[in-house]
Amino acid sequence: QSALTQPPSASGPPGQSVTISCTGTSSDIGGYNYVSWYQQHPGKAPKHMIYEVSKRPSGVPDRFSGSKSGNTASLTVSGLQADDEADYYCSSYAGSNNWVFGGGTKLTVL
Amino acid sequence: EVQLVQSGAEVKKPGESLRISCKGSGYSFTSYWITWVRQMPGKGLEWMGRIDPSDSDTNYSPSFQGHVTISVDKSINIAYLQWNSLKASDTAMYYCARRSSTSFWTFAYWGQGTLVTVSS
Repeated sequence: QSALTQPPSASGPPGQSVTISCTGTSSDIGGYNYVSWYQQHPGKAPKHMIYEVSKRPSGVPDRFSGSKSGNTASLTVSGLQADDEADYYCSSYAGSNNWVFGGGTKLTVL
Repeated sequence: EVQLVQSGAEVKKPGESLRISCKGSGYSFTSYWITWVRQMPGKGLEWMGRIDPSDSDTNYSPSFQGHVTISVDKSINIAYLQWNSLKASDTAMYYCARRSSTSFWTFAYWGQGTLVTVSS
């Protein structure tokens, strides 16, 4: 299985919105509504921010939202804040008890 | 409180063997699969494989099949990731993770990571 495709970088000024895409295939993103998004600050373990495409775990601000169309999933961060600056990874179930991650996107708050 | 606590950093030479661990606490260890994730220096996350602690059933990513072994000792709530012959390219941070209590499909709990350095 190949890694999901994410843009290497994204950016936006405080208060604005930014959307990060994650493209897979019909064997992963397109085949299941099991996309997750993770936030990773430098030197820290990943933190799950979105699961099952658009659900937010408790404690995650509603500024974070997820969606999917076909083989592409998206994470939108609204009202950008300085602490949102981090690496973001998508992940999808890929069938037969396998998962796949995206290559990661570095989000910079300008 | 659910916790995954991993073993400490390791420095090894190429060709040596290694086993790192991930101890689960605060939940029923045999009820949740443990997943291992690699992060090479400055790179992204890679799903390596998973184990069901209840019966030791495992799945590996094709990229890691045959090079690592995932095992578990459910009597002491510990999952392991093992190499028989390390390579310099195994230098990375390794995380264990567990799914959410409400969703089978996301990794809600993560260990703190174990840094493995392989150098001659």
